[in-house]
Amino acid sequence: QSALTQPASVSGSPGQSITISCTGTSSDVGSYNFVSWYQQHPGKAPKFMVYEVSKRPSGVSNRFSGSKSGNTASLTISGLQAEDEADYYCCSYAGSDTYVFGTGTKVTVL
Amino acid sequence: QVQLVESGGGVVQPGRSLRLSCAASGFTFSSYGMFWVRQAPGKGLEWVALISYGGSNKYYADSVRGRFTISRDNSENTLFLQMNSLRAEDTAVYYCAREGPDRTGDGFDYWGQGTLVTVSS
Repeated sequence: QSALTQPASVSGSPGQSITISCTGTSSDVGSYNFVSWYQQHPGKAPKFMVYEVSKRPSGVSNRFSGSKSGNTASLTISGLQAEDEADYYCCSYAGSDTYVFGTGTKVTVL
Repeated sequence: QVQLVESGGGVVQPGRSLRLSCAASGFTFSSYGMFWVRQAPGKGLEWVALISYGGSNKYYADSVRGRFTISRDNSENTLFLQMNSLRAEDTAVYYCAREGPDRTGDGFDYWGQGTLVTVSS
């Protein structure tokens, strides 16, 4: 159960779009359309942002969108805002009722 | 509204045991699978364990299998994590989370605020 690979940091200016990648293997991301994304502000619990690769829970801004190609999933934040500055984690179902998280990405709004 | 409140964290010596609890409210607890997820200080998230809605099926990360036991009391709307043979590397904030929203694999839609476990002599 090796962690999925994410870039350590991504930055952008207000209003810009950024994309965070999440690379796994054919045993997790590549095998299942069960990739979810979480936003975590310092000292807070994670927040559920995207599930099943591209679905948004009720209440999550449509500025957040997810996609997947092969073993790599991505989260795009469009119209970047100051409150988007946080850590972001991907997570994939890995079969047999197990899950694996990504290494995490710190998003900085310049 | 959905609420998950963890308790039971603290400082414990290596090799000792600790039991965490998570009190759930605002939803039909017995209808949902539940998880424990942990986060070591300054590190990323790590899935720890899953228990099915009825409690009969339990799954663990390799790092805790054989030492940790997840359980639940649906009559009391409470989730537990019994942690034995604790190691320094188990030091983390432990979160309980609800499975959701539609099916197995969807991830964790609601989280508690976490409880800190520190394993140190």
